[in-house]
Amino acid sequence: QVQLVQSGAEVKKPGASVKVSCKASGYTFTGYYMHWVRQAPGQGLEWMGRINPNSGGTNYAQKFQGRVTMTRDTSISTAYMELSRLRSDDTAVYYCARDFLHCSGGSCYPTDAFDIWGQGTMVTVSS
Amino acid sequence: QSALTQPASVSGSPGQSITISCTGTSSDVGSYNLVSWYQQHPGKAPKLMIYEGSKRPSGVSNRFSGSKSGNTASLTISGLQAEDEADYYCCSYAGSSTLYVFGTGTKVTVL
Repeated sequence: QVQLVQSGAEVKKPGASVKVSCKASGYTFTGYYMHWVRQAPGQGLEWMGRINPNSGGTNYAQKFQGRVTMTRDTSISTAYMELSRLRSDDTAVYYCARDFLHCSGGSCYPTDAFDIWGQGTMVTVSS
Repeated sequence: QSALTQPASVSGSPGQSITISCTGTSSDVGSYNLVSWYQQHPGKAPKLMIYEGSKRPSGVSNRFSGSKSGNTASLTISGLQAEDEADYYCCSYAGSSTLYVFGTGTKVTVL
């Protein structure tokens, strides 16, 4: 079945970096954009950016420009999100989410929605 | 880019209908018919319920419906059930520079 499996929880000190992985299975990894969304404890969802696994091209939310790097390894169908210069307010659950393609009559188009989500990775930033 | 505005909480009795609003601006909700809605139970990942404003992915109950008027999108849950108790988030495409913005989230309580 289609699924995204993320790496385990991380505890980091302020100023450090964290790299979260997201392994895809059950579909063609290079055929769908991968997004990263985070959720601070008790707070809402926040879109961080996306990567085109086919080309490696990325788009980042302005808030994270300069601190986030999204990459992929197509040989193992895995996307990565690295966040640097961590602060305490980066403490959150980080999700990867697949772009939703609507397919009908043999053709597919992107819908700007996210249909498959990873289980989330808790990143705690604390001194 | 500010988050889209949702009511903090909405409640209803089993069998009733409720509507959650999602207010944005002419730069996001008002400009594109690309609002999606997500249901999130505690400790779980979000689940896609509505895309492109009013379309349901396969497997989502037809008790969930979406609409839009101007800068405000809405999610209606009809025939409210206990399992619908969860947090709900809207999300809109916001153009090529911002890309996506989420709503503030709404906690739905089934009385």
